[in-house]
Amino acid sequence: NAGVTQTPKFRVLKTGQSMTLLCAQDMNHEYMYWYRQDPGMGLRLIHYSVGEGTTAKGEVPDGYNVSRLKKQNFLLGLESAAPSQTSVYFCASRFLVAQFFGPGTRLTVL
Amino acid sequence: GNSVTQMEGPVTLSEEAFLTINCTYTATGYPSLFWYVQYPGEGLQLLLKATKADDKGSNKGFEATYRKETTSFHLEKGSVQVSDSAVYFCAPFGAGGTSYGKLTFGQGTILTVHP
Repeated sequence: NAGVTQTPKFRVLKTGQSMTLLCAQDMNHEYMYWYRQDPGMGLRLIHYSVGEGTTAKGEVPDGYNVSRLKKQNFLLGLESAAPSQTSVYFCASRFLVAQFFGPGTRLTVL
Repeated sequence: GNSVTQMEGPVTLSEEAFLTINCTYTATGYPSLFWYVQYPGEGLQLLLKATKADDKGSNKGFEATYRKETTSFHLEKGSVQVSDSAVYFCAPFGAGGTSYGKLTFGQGTILTVHP
């Protein structure tokens, strides 16, 4: 039981490049979330999903897209990366009231 | 929606000192309340929770009591260890009129414990 895993752990992009972050969970949870963590700002919700095939916007969705084609996977895409998207990205899945977090992806956009 | 005001850090303590990290919240209805901990280089882990008024959550020597009258959920530990050095996040959870169960995080409190 691996819990929530994220790929990759680190990435450096140039402005304008695109990439996809992968989140996978093996707990059969319906709800999944993408957050970004910036210094002094806690975690902010980017997008979330309440089940396979569904996605919705969170607090800070601009510049990001997501897909949930399979229940166990939740992908976060950056179509044209900007320096403001330099952050640590966390994925989480939820069962009842408890959220389970992945180890994070540290993204730097130059 | 929910919001959280969390004690600003960083907090620096000596080993075996008493710890309090204050957290107050505003929420629609009666949320569940959580403390998450983030150790260096890792993701967040659930530390403890309380789901209704006057409940006390506890784990690893940490405790927090759900105080509805003061809308607070302060984290305490009687004797901290160096291994408790981490960032601590208070987070109410509740529907707040939404259907997706949103966690609202405080800004985090950095705790450093010296030997």
